[in-house]
Amino acid sequence: DQQVKQNSPSLSVQEGRISILNCDYTNSMFDYFLWYKKYPAEGPTFLISISSIKDKNEDGRFTVFLNKSAKHLSLHIVPSQPGDSAVYFCAASGGSGGSNYKLTFGKGTLLTVNP
Amino acid sequence: GAVVSQHPSRVICKSGTSVKIECRSLDFQATTMFWYRQFPKQSLMLMATSNEGSKATYEQGVEKDKFLINHASLTLSTLTVTSAHPEDSSFYICSAGRDREGEQYFGPGTRLTVT
Repeated sequence: DQQVKQNSPSLSVQEGRISILNCDYTNSMFDYFLWYKKYPAEGPTFLISISSIKDKNEDGRFTVFLNKSAKHLSLHIVPSQPGDSAVYFCAASGGSGGSNYKLTFGKGTLLTVNP
Repeated sequence: GAVVSQHPSRVICKSGTSVKIECRSLDFQATTMFWYRQFPKQSLMLMATSNEGSKATYEQGVEKDKFLINHASLTLSTLTVTSAHPEDSSFYICSAGRDREGEQYFGPGTRLTVT
């Protein structure tokens, strides 16, 4: 049973445009959500997170939106840059933001930003 | 920063031998570390939660006698793959979190190939 789902295995966008990566979850106990970026043969790099008490969090070009009623979150990258090309993982935790709680990951979405 | 290192970055071993992978938090103390494995084009799968000074907590389906975890200090956790077999070949990644923040920081990963 996959509790965190990223239904789009890949996404291709033009440089300068907006990239929207989607994530759905099924476990209502999840209350903290994170996005990670990963290059091949490297560990994931933390991008941005959001607590369930918020519906939006912004950090530079990255914005995460959370719709609790739909159990859906999305990552917006604008403007997209070629260096953003990577696999993006959505992750969820039931630990209210505590870093000592285990994360459940989606399968990832490969983003390709074309020059 | 929050830097997590892993050693070795890649290892090739013969079937039946044991391999030890180290995970270190370089600039912060981590009471909890996590071990993941990732197969090609798959998500990160949590194997176990490593707690400093106590026994690790393993996820369902992970053999604790095969994947030995030791969290000897607040900056070091080790994963030993005992009697490795070709099906253990994978990308192993550790993570650690700082208590005040929700995100976990990942090591660069270790590519294990069992011949």
